[in-house]
Amino acid sequence: AAGVIQSPRHLIKEKRETATLKCYPIPRHDTVYWYQQGPGQDPQFLISFYEKMQSDKGSIPDRFSAQQFSDYHSELNMSSLELGDSALYFCASTEQITDTQYFGPGTRLTVL
Amino acid sequence: AQSVTQLDSQVPVFEEAPVELRCNYSSSVSVYLFWYVQYPNQGLQLLLKYLSGSTLVKGINGFEAEFNKSQTSFHLRKPSVHISDTAEYFCAVSDLSGGSNYKLTFGKGTLLTVNP
Repeated sequence: AAGVIQSPRHLIKEKRETATLKCYPIPRHDTVYWYQQGPGQDPQFLISFYEKMQSDKGSIPDRFSAQQFSDYHSELNMSSLELGDSALYFCASTEQITDTQYFGPGTRLTVL
Repeated sequence: AQSVTQLDSQVPVFEEAPVELRCNYSSSVSVYLFWYVQYPNQGLQLLLKYLSGSTLVKGINGFEAEFNKSQTSFHLRKPSVHISDTAEYFCAVSDLSGGSNYKLTFGKGTLLTVNP
C-alpha cells in the first residue's frame, strides 16, 4: 500500500538559512498534519491543512510557514533557522472518514 | 485541552515475558486513542486505535489495548514479547471537539527494551 512520502529524508543547514520540507500524502487523503520531534521528545503538533486550507495551528514559530497545494501535497517552509530547530519533522495524512493519521518516515533537519 | 501521561519512561523486560505499557489521558470531550511505535531512526507506525465500539482493540504484532473510560486509561499489552519489539511506544489522543481537525497529542513515550 502507498505510504506518506517525505523529502528530503535528511537535511543539513547553517544557522539563518532557509529550508523547505515536502510531504506527499497517501492517495485520496485530503488532510495533512505536521509535527516536530526534538531529540528524545514526543512529537509536537505544528500545523494542519484540510482541503488546502489551514485547519489548525499549534506551536509553530512565526519563522515557519506551510501550505497545501491542489494535488494535496504540502510544504513546510522554515526561515532564519536556529540551532533549536534541529529535529525530526513528520508529516501525517488522513482521510476525513477514518481520522486515523498515517505518518511519513520524517525529515531529519540538522542546523549547524 | 487534552493531555496524555505515560507512566513509565522505560520498561525493561525479558524475551517471552508479558508486558503492559500504561497510558492515561485527560480530556473534557470524547476522544480517539492511538498507540504508535517508533523504531530507532524511523518514523511512527500505527499499532492500534480506539475510535468506538468494543473497548478491547487488537493491533499489529500481537499487541492489544483496552479502553477504560471510567479510569481514562488505554494500556497497551502483549502476552509474550520478542527482541524485535524493542522500540519507543507513544500513546496519543485526538479530541472530537475540533470539527474537521483531529490533531494528535502525544505522551512522552515509553522505551520498551526486550532483553534475551
